[in-house]
Amino acid sequence: GDSVTQMEGPVTLSEEAFLTINCTYTATGYPSLFWYVQYPGEGLQLLLKATKADDKGSNKGFEATYRKETTSFHLEKGSVQVSDSAVYFCALITGGGNKLTFGTGTQLKVEL
Amino acid sequence: DTEVTQTPKHLVMGMTNKKSLKCEQHMGHRAMYWYKQKAKKPPELMFVYSYEKLSINESVPSRFSPECPNSSLLNLHLHALQPEDSALYLCASSQDLLARGNSNTEAFFGQGTRLTVV
Repeated sequence: GDSVTQMEGPVTLSEEAFLTINCTYTATGYPSLFWYVQYPGEGLQLLLKATKADDKGSNKGFEATYRKETTSFHLEKGSVQVSDSAVYFCALITGGGNKLTFGTGTQLKVEL
Repeated sequence: DTEVTQTPKHLVMGMTNKKSLKCEQHMGHRAMYWYKQKAKKPPELMFVYSYEKLSINESVPSRFSPECPNSSLLNLHLHALQPEDSALYLCASSQDLLARGNSNTEAFFGQGTRLTVV
């Protein structure tokens, strides 16, 4: 079945450090890919998305590129802030279903 | 208005109680979803409604009963829950059913209802 694999957390960084959170997927065909962010005590917010190979999603300084050859959608940010501390979920939608399949989530902690 | 509003924010209920969770959106979305999220886990899909009709039931126990009275409202009726049902219940909506390749596909989530069953 379809699945998403994310790197284990928590990831702890100093402010202004470079962030990479790895995400790889297994899916039938070519899924649409998403990154959602969940701040403490809140629901999920869509951070960015890509619907076809080589698309780059970007928002609030975060970027991710849909890599079909490596089945990956890694999240990157050049300079993180304390306010970026949250749990980040990689997710996909495939042609066979009308639902989001989430990875296990990666907790990010940014310290001063 | 890009909000999905869930009430209540917190709920404590006994195993013999009957309660309901409410979700509302005014974005004209025709698909609505219930997810369950346990601590430190990803959300798990429970139900999907499309045009006010149940489209997907992910083999959820009958003690959870969804209802979509109109296109803006989605309820989740709870009865005879167990302590292991304690979780964050998230509602989401989208313009139409989520579909691969649709650049307009986006699910908007509410803040959730944190349910504790005692």
